[in-house]
Amino acid sequence: GIQVEQSPPDLILQEGANSTLRCNFSDSVNNLQWFHQNPWGQLINLFYIPSGTKQNGRLSATTVATERYSLLYISSSQTTDSGVYFCAVATNEKLTFGTGTRLTIIP
Amino acid sequence: DSGVTQTPKHLITATGQRVTLRCSPRSGDLSVYWYQQSLDQGLQFLIQYYNGEERAKGNILERFSAQQFPDLHSELNLSSLELGDSALYFCASSVGIGDGVTEAFFGQGTRLTVV
Repeated sequence: GIQVEQSPPDLILQEGANSTLRCNFSDSVNNLQWFHQNPWGQLINLFYIPSGTKQNGRLSATTVATERYSLLYISSSQTTDSGVYFCAVATNEKLTFGTGTRLTIIP
Repeated sequence: DSGVTQTPKHLITATGQRVTLRCSPRSGDLSVYWYQQSLDQGLQFLIQYYNGEERAKGNILERFSAQQFPDLHSELNLSSLELGDSALYFCASSVGIGDGVTEAFFGQGTRLTVV
C-alpha cells in the first residue's frame, strides 16, 4: 500500500516562530488533507488540497502532486497551534494517514 | 463542529465485554470510515461503508464488526475486548468514495478504556 511519511516527527518552537511541515507519499494520489489533532484528541480539518496552494489565516499549504509531497506552513505560531499535525491521502477508498508531526509551541 | 456525531464520548468497560460505538455522518455524506488510534500512535484504518455497503477493509480484527444502516448511521461493534483494544475510535464521513473521495470530516471520537 501507499506509504505516507511526515517530517520532522517532533518540533519545539518559541511562540511567534514560523515552521514548515512536510508530507511525502509514495504513489499518485487524487486527494490530500491536512489535519490538526489538538491536545484533547479532536481532529480538525485544516486543508483539502489535492494540488496547488491554499491559505487560511496564518496557515498555508502547498501540494505538488507530480513530485509526491505536500507542505504545511505555520506562521507566527501561537500556543494553541500545539498538537499533532497529520496529512492523509485518499487511495483505494480510504484515507491513509501519515506518521504525524508533534508541534509544541512554548510561550 | 464537523457535523459528524459519535456516541458515546467515553466508554470504560471490562475485558471480555462487548461494546457498540455509534456514528452519524454529516448530512448528505454517504461514506463512513472507522479509524483506531492507540496511545500516541497514528490513525489506523479499520473499515469503510458507502451507502450501506462495505467498500474497503483495513486491519480490522475478527472480533470487530461494523455496519451502515439505511439511514446512513454506522455502528462499530467490538467484542471479547482486550486491554490492547483501549484506544480512541474515530468515525469520518465524506460524500464520495474511491479516488473520488471528497473532503472527509471526523467526529470527536470515542475514547474506549478496557480495564
